[in-house]
Amino acid sequence: GAVVSQHPSRVICKSGTSVKIECRSLDFQATTMFWYRQFPKKSLMLMATSNEGSKATYEQGVEKDKFLINHASLTLSTLTVTSAHPEDSSFYICSARVGDKGYYGYTFGSGTRLTVV
Amino acid sequence: AQSVTQLDSQVPVFEEAPVELRCNYSSSVSVYLFWYVQYPNQGLQLLLKYLSGSTLVESINGFEAEFNKSQTSFHLRKPSVHISDTAEYFCAVRRAAGNKLTFGGGTRVLVKP
Repeated sequence: GAVVSQHPSRVICKSGTSVKIECRSLDFQATTMFWYRQFPKKSLMLMATSNEGSKATYEQGVEKDKFLINHASLTLSTLTVTSAHPEDSSFYICSARVGDKGYYGYTFGSGTRLTVV
Repeated sequence: AQSVTQLDSQVPVFEEAPVELRCNYSSSVSVYLFWYVQYPNQGLQLLLKYLSGSTLVESINGFEAEFNKSQTSFHLRKPSVHISDTAEYFCAVRRAAGNKLTFGGGTRVLVKP
């Protein structure tokens, strides 16, 4: 149980275009989701936390107008990279909080490799 | 704020040899601790976690980690590795009262035949 499906797994886009990445919880309701960015051979950097029905909370240094996060339902969160540039090329991973109250865990999507050319 | 340090960025090891991946954390409050594994071009999979109780936790595939509060460590060990254990391993912490995971820099394990 507690599976998160992330789509697409790979995307190549032209500089200046926008790309949407979807993250769906398949068998549970994800009240809280997280979006990470991972540079090659580096750790995961939390970009933002999204709660269903409210605005996302962005980490310091993350441009909220560039990385639009929508969490309109309990099973879907989307990350849109607007006006993408080559420096936005990266591996993006979503995660959902599973469970409630204290001893909850996290389940991760399989990631999206974005290449901006 | 909490932080996580994984002391080794890369660990080469021969098949069937033991391996230890070191993880130290810093936090002024109680934390929960996790180890995740990431295979190439994939997301993260939970290996094991420490929430409370016994300080030695085990995974189903032979890994174990021990929470040491006095040394603020949560090292991961496996007595005998397989080629399939080649992956990136991340240690992470979360404040007991918090929501966000903080990851270490990762340790790349390369198992050689």
